[in-house]
Amino acid sequence: ETGVTQTPRHLVMGMTNKKSLKCEQHLGHNAMYWYKQSAKKPLELMFVYSLEERVENNSVPSRFSPECPNSSHLFLHLHTLQPEDSALYLCASSQDGPSTNEKLFFGSGTQLSVL
Amino acid sequence: DAKTTQPNSMESNEEEPVHLPCNHSTISGTDYIHWYRQLPSQGPEYVIHGLTSNVNNRMASLAIAEDRKSSTLILHRATLRDAAVYYCIQGSGAGSYQLTFGKGTKLSVIP
Repeated sequence: ETGVTQTPRHLVMGMTNKKSLKCEQHLGHNAMYWYKQSAKKPLELMFVYSLEERVENNSVPSRFSPECPNSSHLFLHLHTLQPEDSALYLCASSQDGPSTNEKLFFGSGTQLSVL
Repeated sequence: DAKTTQPNSMESNEEEPVHLPCNHSTISGTDYIHWYRQLPSQGPEYVIHGLTSNVNNRMASLAIAEDRKSSTLILHRATLRDAAVYYCIQGSGAGSYQLTFGKGTKLSVIP
């Protein structure tokens, strides 16, 4: 148990659906992240929030829309996805930032399949 | 792109030490070296990190070369639960969140 909880663990959606991934951290951290892990590819950083403000957006398509209503919750809203978006989506948090001296705490991820 | 180079895979016998190497030749003076591992069906897990000096914790030891262009993660006694993909990551400097993961080293532990 890392203190970072992601729901759902698995999600299957059609290309015309709208769904949301949820992440909650119980660690009192100030920064939260979304990563994407495709099969046989390294983890890719998608979005970073620090104190509920987005501080990094790594050229992610607009069909992915993040939301951070407070420092404990992070959402990733999905709409009109493509089959190539099928991947493991990981949420992480860290105490403070920005700094690469920070430890990241990851959730177990949501395995997304787009049909 | 990842700034580190690691072997794709390694094997170890159970209860023997494991030395996982990593090259980070472009590292700057303020870049930390991080190690994470990812077990099957889980998110990555922090292992250890350091800047210049060797570091020890309950999970592992990190040996950093004097020129900081390479480092070695040391698992003192491998167990079957240590079988995972191990990522060596070079932090990209203060003011950035970019911990860029590479492909890592897949460690297999043989009973």
